[in-house]
Amino acid sequence: EIVLTQSPATLSLSPGERATLSCRASQSVSNYLAWYQQKPGQAPRLLIYDASNRATGIPARFSGSGSGTDFTLTISSLEAEDFAVYFCQQRSIWPRTFGQGTKVEMK
Amino acid sequence: EVQLLESGGGLVQPGGSLRLSCAASGFTFITYGMTWVRQAPGRGLEWVSTISGSGTTIYYADSVKGRFIISRDNSKNTLSLQMNTLRAEDTAIYYCARDRRNGHGDNWFDPWGQGTLVTVSS
Repeated sequence: EIVLTQSPATLSLSPGERATLSCRASQSVSNYLAWYQQKPGQAPRLLIYDASNRATGIPARFSGSGSGTDFTLTISSLEAEDFAVYFCQQRSIWPRTFGQGTKVEMK
Repeated sequence: EVQLLESGGGLVQPGGSLRLSCAASGFTFITYGMTWVRQAPGRGLEWVSTISGSGTTIYYADSVKGRFIISRDNSKNTLSLQMNTLRAEDTAIYYCARDRRNGHGDNWFDPWGQGTLVTVSS
């Protein structure tokens, strides 16, 4: 099983600031990594797939990068609606696995 | 508009059974793989099971293998999860999710339903 480790656990930032979230895989997943956003009381929403492709309707301030074992989700300038929990997920091998999440909270 | 609507959650005693359903609309159901993902209260996401569009290919997490059965009825656009021998650790919100892409789907989950809560407790 591939373990995905996200860091930091919590990121405290102000609107307008840049957010950088990390996801590290226990073995290579090539570019088979996605990022999801989850707000309280809501289902997760796909943001980024195949490491760097934005899903339909996702604003350009969200970007993903990386390959192999190290991946980054960047939010270039935080808006109020971006404060949420973010999860990474791999589809390189079964079982599919998720990271434990990074909470982006308002400072 | 693509919609996924889960139902069937509730309170069940340890060792009991429950059947979840996910009603799909707004897309050609048979052409998409479907997945169940769960989230224990206040916790992260856990992949549970995936079924191909035709229903012929199925995968399970080890934590549910032998206890849960995923199935689909393509004539009714419905995904199901039969959960048997339930344990306290199965307590979670259960989400159904569609593959982002049809055909040989990429197994990225998009969109998700709103979830249904399963509580296993005596």
